[in-house]
Amino acid sequence: QLQLQESGPRLVKPSETLSLACSVSGGSIKSSTYYWAWIRQSPGKGLEWIGSINSGGTSYYNPSLKSRVSMSVDTSKNQFSLRLSSVTAADAAVYYCAAGEYSYGIWGQGTLVPVSS
Amino acid sequence: QSALTQPASVSGSPGQSITISCTGTSSDVGTYDLVSWYQKYPGKAPKLIIYEVTKRPSGVSNRFSGSKSGNTASLTISGLQAEDEADYYCWSYAGSRSLVIFGGGTKLTVL
Repeated sequence: QLQLQESGPRLVKPSETLSLACSVSGGSIKSSTYYWAWIRQSPGKGLEWIGSINSGGTSYYNPSLKSRVSMSVDTSKNQFSLRLSSVTAADAAVYYCAAGEYSYGIWGQGTLVPVSS
Repeated sequence: QSALTQPASVSGSPGQSITISCTGTSSDVGTYDLVSWYQKYPGKAPKLIIYEVTKRPSGVSNRFSGSKSGNTASLTISGLQAEDEADYYCWSYAGSRSLVIFGGGTKLTVL
């Protein structure tokens, strides 16, 4: 059974780029038909879909974040990644990686990313 | 692209049934049978409890059921239990992989 685990910095400074990775275990990211997604939840707010990518590297982003987001897949490491540039305090959130086709049945535990100088 | 509309809160007593609505548009909920529901406890990752409007993943209690009418999807929890107290989010495919929208979330309180 697939499992996901996020990793990344514990703190990001304003204007810098947030970089997170999601390691996939229990299966190959390359052979899966899943879309691999990033979803976040800011304090006191609801879930926000950031974007998703398939194993072939085709990516889709939330229009509201599109200018600052990029995602990639590294099949050699069996992981996928998120980069969010020019972060502000509004980007402070728990970031989750998730996987599925038209629903997300597999989730990482989430990683809290504060934004502070 | 607008978020799906959910009530901010619902409540019920143990043993009762409650329904949470999720209203979209003819471009998303009304067109695609690709609505899913997630249960979220504070500090925990969301858990998929309903997918493709009515289907339950393996291991999810049959007290959870989903339905759809027009542009509105619904999650019903029957035989309410204290452990059901959580936030619930709906999600719908919206015709493109770049248009993925969550509802604002509903806080369920078990009285």
